[in-house]
Amino acid sequence: DAGVIQSPRHEVTEMGQEVTLRCKPISGHNSLFWYRQTMMRGLELLIYFNNNVPIDDSGMPEDRFSAKMPNASFSTLKIQPSEPRDSAVYFCASRGTGGPGELFFGEGSRLTVL
Amino acid sequence: AQSVTQLDSQVPVFEEAPVELRCNYSSSVSVYLFWYVQYPNQGLQLLLKYLSGSTLVKGINGFEAEFNKSQTSFHLRKPSVHISDTAEYFCAVIPNQAGTALIFGKGTTLSVSS
Repeated sequence: DAGVIQSPRHEVTEMGQEVTLRCKPISGHNSLFWYRQTMMRGLELLIYFNNNVPIDDSGMPEDRFSAKMPNASFSTLKIQPSEPRDSAVYFCASRGTGGPGELFFGEGSRLTVL
Repeated sequence: AQSVTQLDSQVPVFEEAPVELRCNYSSSVSVYLFWYVQYPNQGLQLLLKYLSGSTLVKGINGFEAEFNKSQTSFHLRKPSVHISDTAEYFCAVIPNQAGTALIFGKGTTLSVSS
């Protein structure tokens, strides 16, 4: 069974450009999470969805960040315009009904903003 | 609100030595506790979890952790480490209530050398 799939794995862009990160959760999972990992701040929860509905977006840094989940099999995290301080690894994770904290993570999207 | 403190950012050990990675948490409500492992350039994967019952829980790869409610700790242990255990380890908590997400500590890098 396929795991959580993220794309792109690596993205290098210039400041001011729009960045779109994509995630396909595990089929049948009803919760999806976006985390950001940096050396300074560790793993930060950005936003999560239950049944495609955003539940908590308090971790989204600012209006430049937006996330959508148009259906149960796809989510996007968009940054517009991007800034160098957005450079990080962005992880998507999904959760089924196996337990409250058992998340399945994708391999991450490494974003570098020059 | 919940928080997780991993007391050591880096732990270097020699192969076949025992290791303990320390984790303390703070929460005003009951929580579930987890350890995740991240190998280089990969996403996180679940190592073990405590939901209820016995305070000593066993996970994959010979790791175990003990929940201590009075000390609000959930330390991870392995009696004899291997080179392949070199990775970053994250302690995480989630409140015992619906509609919440995992909160991670900043991680501990375990480096095993021969």
